[in-house]
Amino acid sequence: QQPVQSPQAVILREGEDAVINCSSSKALYSVHWYRQKHGEAPVFLMILLKGGEQKGHDKISASFNEKKQQSSLYLTASQLSYSGTYFCGTEDPYSGAGSYQLTFGKGTKLSVIP
Amino acid sequence: ETGVTQTPRHLVMGMTNKKSLKCEQHLGHNAMYWYKQSAKKPLELMFVYNFKEQTENNSVPSRFSPECPNSSHLFLHLHTLQPEDSALYLCASSQDYGQGNYGYTFGSGTRLTVV
Repeated sequence: QQPVQSPQAVILREGEDAVINCSSSKALYSVHWYRQKHGEAPVFLMILLKGGEQKGHDKISASFNEKKQQSSLYLTASQLSYSGTYFCGTEDPYSGAGSYQLTFGKGTKLSVIP
Repeated sequence: ETGVTQTPRHLVMGMTNKKSLKCEQHLGHNAMYWYKQSAKKPLELMFVYNFKEQTENNSVPSRFSPECPNSSHLFLHLHTLQPEDSALYLCASSQDYGQGNYGYTFGSGTRLTVV
C-alpha cells in the first residue's frame, strides 16, 4: 500500500520554510526522499533507516518516526532551485537482500517564487 | 547525465508493434529496476533485478517482458501494448546497503505513447 504524502502542493516565497509529510499504514524499514524537476529524472535526496535518526543535506533535512510510521522532510530558507515534486519512497522490512523495493507516494509539488 | 542512461527518450508505437527500451548503468550497482510513472499516479514498481537475476515481478502483464543480460544493462521488451500503457518508464539502479551508497539513481526515462 502506498504511503500518503501531504500536502499535495505548496507555494513558497524564497526564504520561507516548508514541511512535507509521508505516512504509511505499514511498519517501515526505511524511508527515501527524492526530488523530480519537470522533464528530469528523480534525484535521490536522503535515506532514513529505522532508528529515528534525523538527516540533513544542505538546508534540507528529514526525520523518521518508526513508531508512528511517518517521515517528514524539512526545507528551510527555500531557494528557487528547490522547486519540483518531492516523493517519499518507503521500504517495508521484507525486501530481498541486495536490492530494495520502494513504494512511492503520489508526490508533493513545491513551487518557490521570487 | 545521472549515470543511468535510457534510450530512446521518446517512443511512439502502435498497438501491434514490438519495441524495446534500453537502460545502461556504469556505476557498479548490483540492482536494477523498472518503474512506470503515469500522470497523477505514484511511481509503480514493475521489475527488480539483483545481480542480473529477477527477484520481483510486480504483477505486470505479460506484454511487458524484461531482460537483464548483465548487471549493467536492462531491457524492457514491449509487444501488443494498450493505450493505457502510455507513460514515462524509468529505469533505476542501486547498490546494496552494505556498500555504503544508498538510494536509487534514476535514468531520465522513456516517454512512451501507444496509439
